[in-house]
Amino acid sequence: DIQMTQSPSSLSASVGDRVTITCRASQTINSWLAWYQKKPAEAPKLLIYKASDLETGVPSRFSGSGSGTEFTLTISSLQPDDFATYYCQQYKTYSKTFGQGTKVEIK
Amino acid sequence: EVQLVESGGDLVQPGGSLRLSCTGSGFTFNTYSMNWVRQAPGKGLEWISYVSSDTYIKYYSDSVKGRYTISRDNAKNLLYLQMKSLRVEDTAVYYCARDHAEDGGFFDLWGQGTLVTVSS
Repeated sequence: DIQMTQSPSSLSASVGDRVTITCRASQTINSWLAWYQKKPAEAPKLLIYKASDLETGVPSRFSGSGSGTEFTLTISSLQPDDFATYYCQQYKTYSKTFGQGTKVEIK
Repeated sequence: EVQLVESGGDLVQPGGSLRLSCTGSGFTFNTYSMNWVRQAPGKGLEWISYVSSDTYIKYYSDSVKGRYTISRDNAKNLLYLQMKSLRVEDTAVYYCARDHAEDGGFFDLWGQGTLVTVSS
């Protein structure tokens, strides 16, 4: 299976901060990468697919970049609703795998 | 409203069996591939199974292969997960998730989840 590693595992930030989360794949996945936001007791929400395509309805402060093995999710100006855990997921192979998650907390 | 609703979660003893259901509504269920994804307490998301829209293709993660069976009834807009030989480590919230229609492989619609607890 392709292993996905996110960094950092957690971070503290303030409203208005620019936040960047990194996701690395154990082998190349081209651009077959998605990002999700997960809040406690809620369903995960798709943010980004194909590494950089913004899902319909997702605010433009979210953006994704990268290809091959290294990817980033950027939140340009953190809002109160953005405090959550973020997961990357590869879908190059049928056995899809997620990163371990990055928890974004309020500083 | 476009939604997925899971049901069937329960407390079950190790070695036991359970069947989860997921009802799709507000979209043409039989045109989408579907998945099950779980999240153990305090852990991350884990994809566990996939079924194609026509039911002919099924995939499983190594952690559940041979113990879980995915199926669907397109006439009733239902997705199932039959789980047997359950282990304590199968304790998790189980989500059904819809594959994106065009690209596939990632999940654009999720249910709220149903809790499975495996404990004696």
